[in-house]
Amino acid sequence: EPEVTQTPSHQVTQMGQEVILRCVPISNHLYFYWYRQILGQKVEFLVSFYNNEISEKSEIFDDQFSVERPDGSNFTLKIRSTKLEDSAMYFCASRGGGWTGELFFGEGSRLTVL
Amino acid sequence: GESVGLHLPTLSVQEGDNSIINCAYSNSASDYFIWYKQESGKGPQFIIDIRSNMDKRQGQRVTVLLNKTVKHLSLQIAATQPGDSAVYFCAENILLGGSARQLTFGSGTQLTVLP
Repeated sequence: EPEVTQTPSHQVTQMGQEVILRCVPISNHLYFYWYRQILGQKVEFLVSFYNNEISEKSEIFDDQFSVERPDGSNFTLKIRSTKLEDSAMYFCASRGGGWTGELFFGEGSRLTVL
Repeated sequence: GESVGLHLPTLSVQEGDNSIINCAYSNSASDYFIWYKQESGKGPQFIIDIRSNMDKRQGQRVTVLLNKTVKHLSLQIAATQPGDSAVYFCAENILLGGSARQLTFGSGTQLTVLP
């Protein structure tokens, strides 16, 4: 069964460092998303991406965040200068077209900022 | 503010009993709702969905009920099993324009199945 894969599964970084989280969405999907989940809290929308551009972003997704689809398979989330409060689980998701809009989530990348 | 929220943060049920998890939403423009299950350390996993033109949908052991009048959604799990222990999120899926959609999650309910 096709799945969304994410790397790394866990990254520990120092405050102020740049972090890149990587995702390989399901191959025939067209819409890509990043969500984050702070420990014990709900899943929060960060950004959606379609046709090589951001289609929607939340207040959380400020200038420190960026997304890229550098090739036909990867979808990355970059945090330029990490803060302590960026520590969270980051989930990548993708979906195909059509009305249903069901998102398929990866297993997540845990980011710990020290 | 919150557009999707849950009534109870935790729910404990005996194995074999039925579980009901509730959710309230506030966005009248939401046309599609999804229940996700999240096990510890894993990503959300799709359980069942319902369109706004329906009021009930059944899956295997799960039923989702939608009451648009009071903007309420519920997930019923029949004969709850230990493997059902997880956090359950309702999510509303809003069509933004064209085919762009945004999924907004509620706060989650921790379901614990007791032996």
